Amino acid sequence: QVQLQESGPGLVKPSETLSLTCTVSGGSIFSSSYYWGWIRQPPGKGLEWIGTIHYSGSASYNPSLKSRVTISVDTSKKQFSLKLTSVTAADTAVYYCARLIVGAWDYYAMDVWGQGTTVAVSS
Amino acid sequence: EIVLTQSPGTLSLSPGERATLSCRASQSVTSTHLAWYQQKPGQAPRLLIYGASNRATGIPDRFSGSGSGTDFTLTISRLVPEDFAVYYCQHYGSSPSWTFGQGTKVEIK
Repeated sequence: QVQLQESGPGLVKPSETLSLTCTVSGGSIFSSSYYWGWIRQPPGKGLEWIGTIHYSGSASYNPSLKSRVTISVDTSKKQFSLKLTSVTAADTAVYYCARLIVGAWDYYAMDVWGQGTTVAVSS
Repeated sequence: EIVLTQSPGTLSLSPGERATLSCRASQSVTSTHLAWYQQKPGQAPRLLIYGASNRATGIPDRFSGSGSGTDFTLTISRLVPEDFAVYYCQHYGSSPSWTFGQGTKVEIK
């Protein structure tokens, strides 16, 4: 059974870069039917998709964050990572990584989630 | 960009009652691209329904999804205590993009 675990600093200073890593265990990161993604949730608010990556390295991003986001994958470590530059207090959120079903029988959904990690942006 | 609007914002019901949650898309969407999630406080979201009407693995049959075009519904036939949570609908668009509704909170009356 696939499990995901986020890791990274819980506190980032304004204007700096937020960096998180998601480790995949219990399954393969190599699949044409699955992508890997990041989603965030500000305190008391809803869910926002940040971006998605395939094991091949092909990535897509939320247009509202695209200029500040980079998602990368390290298949040898079974990890994918998020970098968000020039953070402000508005980037304070719980950050989740997830496995995305992409196109299998034309279904699209996020079927496995990490537990989430809280990142606060503060000086 | 497709916008998903969920209603009501909060649903106050008693255990044993039926819950009907709505998700309306700003334009017609492909049903296979529509999913529902449950989120309890302090927990990650959990996939309930994919393809508008297919229950995910391990999801009880009191949860059902329906709809097409712009109007989709999540129904919980008889609420049990662990069903009180926030529910989100989500759509995949071809940009690609993944969009969530703002959520419906189901609370104990």
